[in-house]
Amino acid sequence: KNEVEQSPQNLTAQEGEFITINCSYSVGISALHWLQQHPGGGIVSLFMLSSGKKKHGRLIATINIQEKHSSLHITASHPRDSAVYICAVRSEGTYKYIFGTGTRLKVLA
Amino acid sequence: NAGVTQTPKFQVLKTGQSMTLQCAQDMNHEYMSWYRQDPGMGLRLIHYSVGAGITDQGEVPNGYNVSRSTTEDFPLRLLSAAPSQTSVYFCASSSLGSYSNQPQHFGDGTRLSIL
Repeated sequence: KNEVEQSPQNLTAQEGEFITINCSYSVGISALHWLQQHPGGGIVSLFMLSSGKKKHGRLIATINIQEKHSSLHITASHPRDSAVYICAVRSEGTYKYIFGTGTRLKVLA
Repeated sequence: NAGVTQTPKFQVLKTGQSMTLQCAQDMNHEYMSWYRQDPGMGLRLIHYSVGAGITDQGEVPNGYNVSRSTTEDFPLRLLSAAPSQTSVYFCASSSLGSYSNQPQHFGDGTRLSIL
C-alpha cells in the first residue's frame, strides 16, 4: 500500500461542474502540498497546508490532520483545468517528500 | 527570474554511458532535490540537499550521484546508465525559512532514454 493514495485516478467532468479530488496518507507529516502537472509536463505548486483550509480563486484545499486526509476542490470547472493533480506530503521530521500517483482530470466543454 | 532551469530537456544514452543532468536556481533556495517520474508511479525522490556541501539520499538513490558546491547548482550524475533509468527527471527547489510553508519550484524536466 502506498503511503499517499489519491482518488479517483481518472476523472472526466463537464464544464461548470464541482470537482473533488481526495488524498489520504498513512505517515506523520509536517505539510501537505497540492501540485498541478500540465499536459506539457510542467509542475506548479497550488497549495501548501498544515491545517485547515486554503482558497485561491476557484480552487479550495482542505486538510484533516486527525483523519490523515486532504481534498482539493475545483468550483465551476473549465477545460483549462484539465491536468494531473498531485498530492505530496513532507514526512514529519525530515526533508523528504512522498508523492501520490496523481489524478488525471479532463474537463469537457 | 529564471526560476529552476534544467538542461538538457531531452537526452538519449547508450547503456553504460555516463552523463550529468544540470539544475540551477536563481532564488537563493537552500533546499534542492531531484525526482524521477515513471508511468503509473508518483514522483520519487532520488537525492536532496539542504545547503551547499550537504546532500542526502532519497528513496531511489542507487546509480546516481549528486554534489552541491554552490547554493545555485545541484547536478545529478548517472554513473553508468541502465535502461531502468529511462525516466523523466525533475529538479525542484524551495526555501527552508518556515518549515512547512514554502512551495517547491520545479524545473521543466529532462526526458532521458537509455538504449
